[in-house]
Amino acid sequence: DAGVIQSPRHEVTEMGQEVTLRCKPISGHDYLFWYRQTMMRGLELLIYFNNNVPIDDSGMPEDRFSAKMPNASFSTLKIQPSEPRDSAVYFCASSLPGARVDNEQFFGPGTRLTVL
Amino acid sequence: GEDVEQSLFLSVREGDSSVINCTYTDSSSTYLYWYKQEPGAGLQLLTYIFSNMDMKQDQRLTVLLNKKDKHLSLRIADTQTGDSAIYFCAESTSGGSYIPTFGRGTSLIVHP
Repeated sequence: DAGVIQSPRHEVTEMGQEVTLRCKPISGHDYLFWYRQTMMRGLELLIYFNNNVPIDDSGMPEDRFSAKMPNASFSTLKIQPSEPRDSAVYFCASSLPGARVDNEQFFGPGTRLTVL
Repeated sequence: GEDVEQSLFLSVREGDSSVINCTYTDSSSTYLYWYKQEPGAGLQLLTYIFSNMDMKQDQRLTVLLNKKDKHLSLRIADTQTGDSAIYFCAESTSGGSYIPTFGRGTSLIVHP
């Protein structure tokens, strides 16, 4: 299995532009998570889905952030409009209850976003 | 305060033992985890322990759990430069659908 796939790996954009981050979870995993990692705030859970349904989006910082999961193999995280303080590494992770340990999370390589 | 706390940095000499500490607040935690993040990569589960255990050993790794003090530690014996990474402590509960709550991570720096 290729693991969790994220694209792009790096994104540089200008303030005010729309940014779309993409994630393909591991096949068969029914949980999908979006995280943001910064030096200042560490690793933050933004939102997670179960069977394509958003369960908890309390970590989404503002209305500028939105996430969708139209099917079991694809999710997007969109920022519109982007701001310099959104600069971070964004991780997608997926998990399957009943794996080696309940809800072991498998992380993608991350998307490093820089907003100028 | 944060649910899971850990110090941000640890520096050790190659060949020494490293001990990374973590405290958590949820007394109903079922699983406690250590994840490792190598430079430029995502997190990867390193080891875990059930809350009804005191200790778990896996090759060079020893996990100690003190439930009374809500304290978790990860000991790495004979630390190597390849162990340089960020180590995240995390906990989960059945009531939370086992969704882990992560600490901020401890950067382990191993120098010759």
